This record gives sequence, C-alpha cells and structure tokens, in this order.
Amino acid sequence: DAMVIQNPRYQVTQFGKPVTLSCSQTLNHNVMYWYQQKSSQAPKLLFHYYDKDFNNEADTPDNFQSRRPNTSFCFLDIRSPGLGDAAMYLCATKELLGGGNEQFFGPGTRLTVL
Amino acid sequence: GENVEQHPSTLSVQEGDSAVIKCTYSDSASNYFPWYKQELGKRPQLIIDIRSNVGEKKDQRIAVTLNKTAKHFSLHITETQPEDSAVYFCAAYLVGVEYGNKLVFGAGTILRVKS
Repeated sequence: DAMVIQNPRYQVTQFGKPVTLSCSQTLNHNVMYWYQQKSSQAPKLLFHYYDKDFNNEADTPDNFQSRRPNTSFCFLDIRSPGLGDAAMYLCATKELLGGGNEQFFGPGTRLTVL
Repeated sequence: GENVEQHPSTLSVQEGDSAVIKCTYSDSASNYFPWYKQELGKRPQLIIDIRSNVGEKKDQRIAVTLNKTAKHFSLHITETQPEDSAVYFCAAYLVGVEYGNKLVFGAGTILRVKS
C-alpha cells in the first residue's frame, strides 16, 4: 500500500548524460512537488504542479525540467547533469482542497553523477 | 517570500534529557508548521504539526508550541532516547494557490542523543 513511489531508488549517470527520475502516487493528490536535497541541507523545492499547472521556482536551473502527464505520475528530467546535481531527489504530494496540510514524501532517488 | 530560521544547527543531549529546537518565520500569512525527522538516507517523516489557530500540541514525548505574535515555534522532545538521533527540520507553509502551496524549510538541526 505504498503511497508515493519513486523509481529508481539509486541512479548513476555520466556527466552530461540526460537522466529521468519518476514519481507515482496512489493518493490521487492534486499537488506534486520535486525537491533536491544535498547532504546536510534542507530539501530545496525545484518546482511543483497544481493539477496540470506548472510552477517553477525562480532559482531552479534551466537544466531541470518536469512533466506531469496525468494525476498519478510526475517526472524530473535533468538534461545535462553536472557534478553539482548529485543529490537526493524527493517527490512529495499533497491534496490542496480539503485534504489536510500534510505533504507525503516518497523514499527519494539518490543521483550520482560520474 | 517566507524565510525560516532554525536553531541550533547541532544539539547533543544525554539520554533521558529534554531537547528543544526553535524556529522563527517571517511571513505572518503562514498558517501551518510541520516538523520533520529525517534519518540518514531516508525520507523526511512528519512527526508533529501545528496550525496557526493553536498554541500548543502534544503527542506523547513530542510537543510543539507556537507564538504567532513573535512568529516563532519550537519542538520539545522529552525523555530523549538514542533512536531520537536524527536531523530535524521545521517548516512553514503558506496554504493556498495564491501563495504557491509551498513548504519553506529551516536549515535543520542534527540531534545526537548520547547513551
């Protein structure tokens, strides 16, 4: 009965080689978030979707893109990963209307860039 | 935008003692304040939260207090145990589409409970 699922859990890519991380949810929540978390730091919001409305944080690099083809799935595309993009990537969901305030986090994908 | 400051950055306590972590926020429109515990390599886990219309909330050994006037909130852990050792993040949430539905996190506190 997993609620927020992220695949893969560990991803290794080469410098400059595009990579896609995926997130799926069984909660039917209307908001999905992508965070980047580096060692010993707080999660940093990259962008979020409210339904199909995309909201980009001002300081999210252009190298990062996202897609949400339907309610259940959301993807994070890193077009040309650099060494500085190595991090844990967390997906989270929330029901904005009448669903309480809690964000539900997935287990994360640990990205290594060689 | 919202800014959340968290102190201390590290905290060491003896098993059985209490631990207190404090956060301040800047935007008076924030109305929801969760606390997350994150163990190494794992996802942040919600441990307690409080809404702005409540001053205090308790769940067994964990309590959160909120002072809206001063815009600060605190996490209190009593009778600490080694398994409480983790990184703790406070956050402030601007609820509503007009605010971007965003959680703004504090920088985190590394709590070490020595046995």
